[in-house]
Amino acid sequence: EVQLLESGGGLVQPGGSLRLSCAASGFTFSNYAMTWVRQAPGKGLEWVSALSGSGATTYYGDSVRGRFTISRDNSKNTLYLQMNSLRAEDTAVYYCAKCLTSGTGIDYWGQGTLVTVSS
Amino acid sequence: QSALTQPASVSGSPGQSITISCTGTSNDVGAYNYVSWYQQHPDKVPKLMIYDVIKRPSGVSDRFSGSKSGNTASLTISGLQAEDEADYYCTSYTSSSTWVFGGGTKLTVL
Repeated sequence: EVQLLESGGGLVQPGGSLRLSCAASGFTFSNYAMTWVRQAPGKGLEWVSALSGSGATTYYGDSVRGRFTISRDNSKNTLYLQMNSLRAEDTAVYYCAKCLTSGTGIDYWGQGTLVTVSS
Repeated sequence: QSALTQPASVSGSPGQSITISCTGTSNDVGAYNYVSWYQQHPDKVPKLMIYDVIKRPSGVSDRFSGSKSGNTASLTISGLQAEDEADYYCTSYTSSSTWVFGGGTKLTVL
C-alpha cells in the first residue's frame, strides 16, 4: 500500500524558512517522479514543484521559483521541499504526491501538512 | 502560467449526466494529451479520476469519462449519484515543463 506522510509544517513569520519532508513507502521510490501541490484555505489546488525519480531534473511553478527547492533522498525514501523567503500567500496545505509511471499525472496523495505564514 | 478555466459550479439531478469543461491554451491542454481530473470531497485528499485525457484508473467507476477537443478538455459524469457531489479539478502539462491546475468546479447533486 502506497503511503506518503508529510511533516515539517507549522507557523513561520514572513521572510522565514521551513523545510517539509515526505516519507514514502509501499513502492520503489526511486522509480517515480514526485511532486508538491498546495491548497490555500478554502481555495483550489496549485502545482508547486516536481522532481524526477533520479533527482536530476526539477520543475517549479512561477510563484515559487527562486524561493523553493525540491529534493529527494532515495536512500531514505524521502522527498523534501525547502521553502525560503516565505510570504503570507504561501499559507496553504502542502501535499506530497506520487506521479504516475508515465509522469503525466498524480496517482497518490499524502494527507498534507499546513504551513501558515504570519507575523 | 495562468490557471485553466473551469466553471465555478455545475449541478444535476440523480441519474442525469453532467459535463465539466476545462479550457486552456495551445501551450497546455491543446498541446498535450496529459490532462488529468481529480475529485475532492470536503476536507479530503484529492482522488485521481481520469488521466491522459481519457484513461480511467483501476477502481474508478466507468460513469466517469474524459475527452478533449482543441484547447478544451471535459469530464463527463453519467448516472449522477449523491456521492459524486464534490469539487473537481483538471490539470494539464504545459510547454514550459510545468503543470497547471484549473480553478475547480463544485458539483452539486440536487
